[in-house]
Amino acid sequence: DAGVTQSPTHLIKTRGQQVTLRCSPKSGHDTVSWYQQALGQGPQFIFQYYEEEERQRGNFPDRFSGHQFPNYSSELNVNALLLGDSALYLCASRLQGYNEQFFGPGTRLTVL
Amino acid sequence: GNSVTQMEGPVTLSEEAFLTINCTYTATGYPSLFWYVQYPGEGLQLLLKATKADDKGSNKGFEATYRKETTSFHLEKGSVQVSDSAVYFCALSDLGPGVQGAQKLVFGQGTRLTINP
Repeated sequence: DAGVTQSPTHLIKTRGQQVTLRCSPKSGHDTVSWYQQALGQGPQFIFQYYEEEERQRGNFPDRFSGHQFPNYSSELNVNALLLGDSALYLCASRLQGYNEQFFGPGTRLTVL
Repeated sequence: GNSVTQMEGPVTLSEEAFLTINCTYTATGYPSLFWYVQYPGEGLQLLLKATKADDKGSNKGFEATYRKETTSFHLEKGSVQVSDSAVYFCALSDLGPGVQGAQKLVFGQGTRLTINP
């Protein structure tokens, strides 16, 4: 039973560029959330997707957008990258109606 | 809004010592409470959870009790091992406005634990 997988593992971009991060949920899960974890901090909620729609959004600008596909996988897109976007981006999945979330290993994004 | 506050770290203990990591929360309603652990270079792993007042979550020798009267969910372990060295996060499940099931996790800032042999 595969857990949550994310790609790529690491990514280096320069300011102003755009990036796409990918997540495959745990088998049987239908809801995907994205979190940003800055160095030395707790994860911060970006948004959650269910039935291919954004269900809830945290306090992040519109430069952060996402998508969920029919197979429940998801993408996180960040436009016009800033130095402050450097962080570990975590994907978490769950089954709708259950509150236990399972996290992937994360994508480490460095913006230079 | 809902929030979680953890004790400041880092915490350094000797092997076999008793561990307590304090966690308090502010929330409306009755959130579920969680402890997650993050090993170096990895994502978060669920350590234990409690879904209602007076519930005790336990796993791998760790325990935490959901105390509504003190809005706390302190993590304890009777005898720590070197392998317990990691960052520990307390979190609550926030249902959010309006949309049933659109739950998000609200995390504390994390406590780095180092166990020396």
